[in-house]
Amino acid sequence: EAGVTQSPTHLIKTRGQQATLRCSPISGHTSVYWYQQALGLGLQFLLWYDEGEERNRGNFPPRFSGRQFPNYSSELNVNALELEDSALYLCASSLGTGAYNEQFFGPGTRLTVL
Amino acid sequence: AQSVTQPDIHITVSEGASLELRCNYSYGATPYLFWYVQSPGQGLQLLLKYFSGDTLVQGIKGFEAEFKRSQSSFNLRKPSVHWSDAAEYFCAVGAYNQGGKLIFGQGTELSVKP
Repeated sequence: EAGVTQSPTHLIKTRGQQATLRCSPISGHTSVYWYQQALGLGLQFLLWYDEGEERNRGNFPPRFSGRQFPNYSSELNVNALELEDSALYLCASSLGTGAYNEQFFGPGTRLTVL
Repeated sequence: AQSVTQPDIHITVSEGASLELRCNYSYGATPYLFWYVQSPGQGLQLLLKYFSGDTLVQGIKGFEAEFKRSQSSFNLRKPSVHWSDAAEYFCAVGAYNQGGKLIFGQGTELSVKP
């Protein structure tokens, strides 16, 4: 069974540009989560999508947005990039909703903002 | 506010020695508790989880953890560490009213001496 996949592996952008990160969940999983792992800040919850809807959002500005497609894959968009957006962005998926459902993580996309 | 504290940023143990990684959480309701491991360049892998019932839970790779409500702790243990256990370990808490959101500790980096 294929795990959670993310693309691209690495992404280099300059300040003010937009970045698009993609995630494909495990087959059958309907929930997708995004986390940011920035140096010195640890892992922080960004967004949760389920059945195509945004269900919860972390403490991030509106320039962080995303969507979930009918096939449950997801996209994270970061507009007006700032230097501090440089981080590893992890996507996770789960079979159901709720905190007790195990989240399976992908390898991440390393975003570097110059 | 909900929080997870991992007091030890970095721990070094000798191969074959026992290991205990500390985790303390702050949450008003009954938490769901998780331990994840992250190897360099990889995503997170779930080691074990606690939802209810027996407070001593067994996980993969020979790890176990004990939930102590009175101490708000969920420490991870392994009786004999292998060199391949060198990685970063994250404790996380989720709850039924957090909408799938996991709150992570800052992580503990484990080094293993030969």
